Amino acid sequence: ETGVTQTPRHLVMGMTNKKSLKCEQHLGHNAMYWYKQSAKKPLELMFVYSLEERVENNSVPSRFSPECPNSSHLFLHLHTLQPEDSALYLCASSHAGGPGTDTQYFGPGTRLTVL
Amino acid sequence: LAKTTQPISMDSYEGQEVNITCSHNNIATNDYITWYQQFPSQGPRFIIQGYKTKVTNEVASLFIPADRKSSTLSLPRVSLSDTAVYYCLVGDIMNSGYSTLTFGKGTMLLVSP
Repeated sequence: ETGVTQTPRHLVMGMTNKKSLKCEQHLGHNAMYWYKQSAKKPLELMFVYSLEERVENNSVPSRFSPECPNSSHLFLHLHTLQPEDSALYLCASSHAGGPGTDTQYFGPGTRLTVL
Repeated sequence: LAKTTQPISMDSYEGQEVNITCSHNNIATNDYITWYQQFPSQGPRFIIQGYKTKVTNEVASLFIPADRKSSTLSLPRVSLSDTAVYYCLVGDIMNSGYSTLTFGKGTMLLVSP
């Protein structure tokens, strides 16, 4: 599926590095999400953008900084991460305003390893 | 917020029908019930969503009793490729906000030959 793409698919970084994760959706949606999935843990919602405005920030440490320049692109800027931040980072998009929890379309994820 | 409870794991064989039940005793009036499927190292994939009674699509059926305190995802004639984690999600963004997007631990379905 090419509806939601994420790059890179794998990333290894040191604790002092700065890197960015990129997400792009080709579905014409107006909401985008970042989730974190650690080993053997449920998905954790990190950030939500609706109509390019941040509408949810679930007490995420400031070393994670999201950016949504337009409705099709979402970035997650990373700096001075900790080893416990190693996880699968998933991007999703949806058409906001639907019933229930909005049907979300997920990307393949970026597997992040912090050394 | 409605919390959900699912079995941690289930086993089945190819060709069988599998029913996964999710309990959500505190479901609110406006909440919908949504199921996702996730393969290892991939993002979840939407399966089906419903509000009450029965919903069916080309992949699965969703049964919701009148009290809506539980729901059952039914997968007809499973194959090996249906081995995955299945999540039940209950909520309503418009009334409860995005904090309603709470994925639980899901049910790991293992399909054997």
